[in-house]
Formats: sequence, structure tokens, C-alpha cells
Amino acid sequence: DAGVTQSPTHLIKTRGQQVTLRCSPKSGHDTVSWYQQALGQGPQFIFQYYEEEERQRGNFPDRFSGHQFPNYSSELNVNALLLGDSALYLCASSLMRAPYNEQFFGPGTRLTVL
Amino acid sequence: ELKVEQNPLFLSMQEGKNYTIYCNYSTTSDRLYWYRQDPGKSLESLFVLLSNGAVKQEGRLMASLDTKARLSTLHITAAVHDLSATYFCAVDRNTGNQFYFGTGTSLTVIP
Repeated sequence: DAGVTQSPTHLIKTRGQQVTLRCSPKSGHDTVSWYQQALGQGPQFIFQYYEEEERQRGNFPDRFSGHQFPNYSSELNVNALLLGDSALYLCASSLMRAPYNEQFFGPGTRLTVL
Repeated sequence: ELKVEQNPLFLSMQEGKNYTIYCNYSTTSDRLYWYRQDPGKSLESLFVLLSNGAVKQEGRLMASLDTKARLSTLHITAAVHDLSATYFCAVDRNTGNQFYFGTGTSLTVIP
């Protein structure tokens, strides 16, 4: 049973560039959430996708956008990169109709903005 | 905004000793999750606590939840080096949406 997968593992970009991160949820899951984890901090919620729509959004600017595809996989796009966007980006998958919201996390994408 | 606080932030303990990590949160929630994170790695689910008074144990770790006090504890018994990691608690609003994570507790077990 494949767990949550993310690509790429590492990414280096320069300020002002754009980046796309990808996530495939755990088999059987239909909901994908994205989190940003800065060094030494807890993950911060960016947004959640279900049925190909953004269901909830955290306190992140519009430079952060996403998409969910019919196969439940998801992309996170960040435009006009800032130095402060350097972080570990985690994707978590879950099942919307499950009795509780246990989220399973992928290995993450380490983004460095120079 | 839901706030989740953990203490201590850093914990250095000797092998064989016991200690407790505390997780306080600021709003009503019946569900609390504990995760472990090794350096440079992702989050590994440890416990899911779903009701007041819930207690879960796995090996040397035991987690409990008091929803009235808005407090969860993660108790470590007879620590071993393999437990060295950062531990996070997370809360959701019973809505199935975002998790609010604590600040994390970085645990180092010294031989």
C-alpha cells in the first residue's frame, strides 16, 4: 500500500521565480492538505483540497495556490518566491468521510530560495 | 485563532529516566494527535486521542487527553536513545480540516 509521495525531494530557486510541488495521496484517500514547516517550527496549514476544490485556507498570501486532479493528486504553486518561503513543504492526505481526521504525511519537499 | 503550546521546547534527559511533555490548546476540541519527527524527515503518527480521558500507550510512550483542561500529555518511561526526536501535538476543530500544530518539543536522550 503506497503511502503519501511528494516530488521533488529538494529544490533550489532564486527570488522571484515560481515553483510547483507535487503530491500523491495515500491509496484510498481523497483529501490533500499542504503545510509549510520553517526550520525549528511546527507545520503551518496552507490549504486543503477535496473534490478538486480548495476547501479551507490558512493565513498565506495569494502567491500560494494549488490544484487537485481527478485522481486526487495535488500541486502546490508558489509565485514570486521570497527568501522567507524557504521551508519544508509537507503534503498530508486523509479521507474526508472518515470518523476522524487522521492525516498521513509525505516525506516533504525541501525548498531553498536564494 | 486556535493556539497550541507545548512545553518544554527542549528536553535533555538521561537514559532510563521518566519525563512528561505537555500540550495545551486554546479552544474546544475532542481530538488530538501526536507526531514524531526525526531531523530532516517527515511526520510519523504516534497517537490519535478522540475523547476526554483517552489514554493510548505504545512501548515507552503513553499519551492522554483531558478535553476539559484542554491538555494532553505525552509521558516517556525509561527513555532510550532511539526516542530522540522532535514531538508535535496537533489539534483540529472537529471539522476535518486543518491541523493546528504545537511548537514542538525537541527531545535528546543522553546515554
